[in-house]
Amino acid sequence: NAGVTQTPKFQVLKTGQSMTLQCAQDMNHEYMSWYRQDPGMGLRLIHYSVGAGITDQGEVPNGYNVSRSTTEDFPLRLLSAAPSQTSVYFCASKRGGNGRAYEQYFGPGTRLTVT
Amino acid sequence: DAKTTQPNSMESNEEEPVHLPCNHSTISGTDYIHWYRQLPSQGPEYVIHGLTSNVNNRMASLAIAEDRKSSTLILHRATLRDAAVYYCILRDVWAGQNFVFGPGTRLSVLP
Repeated sequence: NAGVTQTPKFQVLKTGQSMTLQCAQDMNHEYMSWYRQDPGMGLRLIHYSVGAGITDQGEVPNGYNVSRSTTEDFPLRLLSAAPSQTSVYFCASKRGGNGRAYEQYFGPGTRLTVT
Repeated sequence: DAKTTQPNSMESNEEEPVHLPCNHSTISGTDYIHWYRQLPSQGPEYVIHGLTSNVNNRMASLAIAEDRKSSTLILHRATLRDAAVYYCILRDVWAGQNFVFGPGTRLSVLP
């Protein structure tokens, strides 16, 4: 299994540009999520999905869109990039289901710089 | 979710045991205690989790206080590769799927 994969690894955008960060997992996990990590900080949840066709907002959703058309893929779209969105972005997946404690698997991250 | 408190940083010597503490005085009965770590320039990785009883796996041991208000992650023999930020996270298994990451403990391992 490749686990959780993310592309690109690095990206530089100009203010106002849009782009999509890709995330895919091959473990048939129901739950996927996007986090951002600013320097010296912990991770903050942007959006998450509990299954194909179902998404919801996390702690810091403004400026980002997501969709989940398949179990495997969960892309994150930046609508109009701003310098405040300079960060490292991590995608994660886990088995779903309330009442059970499953581990999360994280991708290697995308380092985004907005100038 | 209940909050956790961890020291900002700790140091250990290589090949010695390391005890990373976590306080969670407001833990509820359905909160699992999870530990993740983040090596430099990598995504977080799962270490261990438990509910009430102590847990062991190939990476570490988790010791949970009898009142569950604190726990300790134990690395039995620290290696240079164990230098990372360690996150202690509480997760209510009935309250959704999200994990809340605090700032964690930065562990330095000295050769």
